[in-house]
Amino acid sequence: AQSVSQHNHHVILSEAASLELGCNYSYGGTVNLFWYVQYPGQHLQLLLKYFSGDPLVKGIKGFEAEFIKSKFSFNLRKPSVQWSDTAEYFCAVNPLKSGAGSYQLTFGKGTKLSVIP
Amino acid sequence: DAMVIQNPRYQVTQFGKPVTLSCSQTLNHNVMYWYQQKSSQAPKLLFHYYDKDFNNEADTPDNFQSRRPNTSFCFLDIRSPGLGDAAMYLCATSRVSSSYNEQFFGPGTRLTVL
Repeated sequence: AQSVSQHNHHVILSEAASLELGCNYSYGGTVNLFWYVQYPGQHLQLLLKYFSGDPLVKGIKGFEAEFIKSKFSFNLRKPSVQWSDTAEYFCAVNPLKSGAGSYQLTFGKGTKLSVIP
Repeated sequence: DAMVIQNPRYQVTQFGKPVTLSCSQTLNHNVMYWYQQKSSQAPKLLFHYYDKDFNNEADTPDNFQSRRPNTSFCFLDIRSPGLGDAAMYLCATSRVSSSYNEQFFGPGTRLTVL
């Protein structure tokens, strides 16, 4: 079964610092990749997604992520974080395969980001 | 706006008292999912419906059941809630295609078991 690893459990940054959150997955085939964000007290929202094409994808609120197939990674980045980016970030993988479960998401355990004003 | 709606947003029940959580969608998606999310953990898939076909995860307790009477609605029934079932329950939907699958989440129902 595929798995998703988010290596950082909790990241604390000052405003204007740069952010990179790591995500690695274990599946050798074609994948769809997602980053979801969960602001305090709110529901999961899609931040960005990769289906195919340009491995550098841009999402909402200045976030971007780069898919590196050879490293099985899909790291999330933002050049300058704001206090409002304080949230929990989840990486998710959907392996494209036939049969049952081909459309299910596997989530990482999440990274909590705290931005200090 | 097309969306995923969950009711109620907060549910309090007593130990062992059956409870039903509701999810509806206006997206006309063919797949509906139920996840359990405990504090500071990843959402854990309980089961999903692909159209009318029910798919249970192997480690989902028998205490959890689901119904999908039509395309728009899906229910999560917890027959005898225990203290360990206190969590946020998330409903999600997707329209499965051969090339991609994006899930849309509802706001969740926070279940408290007394």
